[in-house]
Amino acid sequence: SQQGEEDPQALSIQEGENATMNCSYKTSINNLQWYRQNSGRGLVHLILIRSNEREKHSGRLRVTLDTSKKSSSLLITASRAADTASYFCATGRAGGTSYGKLTFGQGTILTVHP
Amino acid sequence: EAGVAQSPRYKIIEKRQSVAFWCNPISGHATLYWYQQILGQGPKLLIQFQNNGVVDDSQLPKDRFSAERLKGVDSTLKIQPAKLEDSAVYLCASSTFLVNQETQYFGPGTRLLVL
Repeated sequence: SQQGEEDPQALSIQEGENATMNCSYKTSINNLQWYRQNSGRGLVHLILIRSNEREKHSGRLRVTLDTSKKSSSLLITASRAADTASYFCATGRAGGTSYGKLTFGQGTILTVHP
Repeated sequence: EAGVAQSPRYKIIEKRQSVAFWCNPISGHATLYWYQQILGQGPKLLIQFQNNGVVDDSQLPKDRFSAERLKGVDSTLKIQPAKLEDSAVYLCASSTFLVNQETQYFGPGTRLLVL
């Protein structure tokens, strides 16, 4: 079953604009991760935020986490055509046999027009 | 370091045939995952290995799917017999399973088409 739901399903912007994608989940988590997938390729890890963190930055990426609302957002600033890809949030639970296991959302398809 | 390797990259078979996929994880990674990604959806975990033991196979359709990780390194995923709904990309991922090292590293995937 899919843990996360992402919004929007598709996003189309111009180069230089910011892109914001949202992820909601249902159960308590240990961490939330964002991955990127270019067409026909494997997934690439972008950023991880832990349940006790509220915001994290990595280059042009900014991730926020609100555990009270069970939601996260990924902001890509000053987007480039090369950012065109599908973006997935994935939630990781704590403890026991759940450690390391990720549950992925449906993804947001981002298209950045030059 | 070398990434996760998968083969073949593409496979076309007819329904009721069998197929096998191979994965070689990043050297030293104790945990290996197989995911199924149907077009337009996120990856769904099929099975998780810790070394050569199965940690979670709750979503593996065991009547037709099987997986093994002999010697705790390479892994194979088999489908026998295949159904039309098995058409998907099969992704292999690995991780270190150390504390606070939850990042998974994915291979390029095997795209399976069942006709």
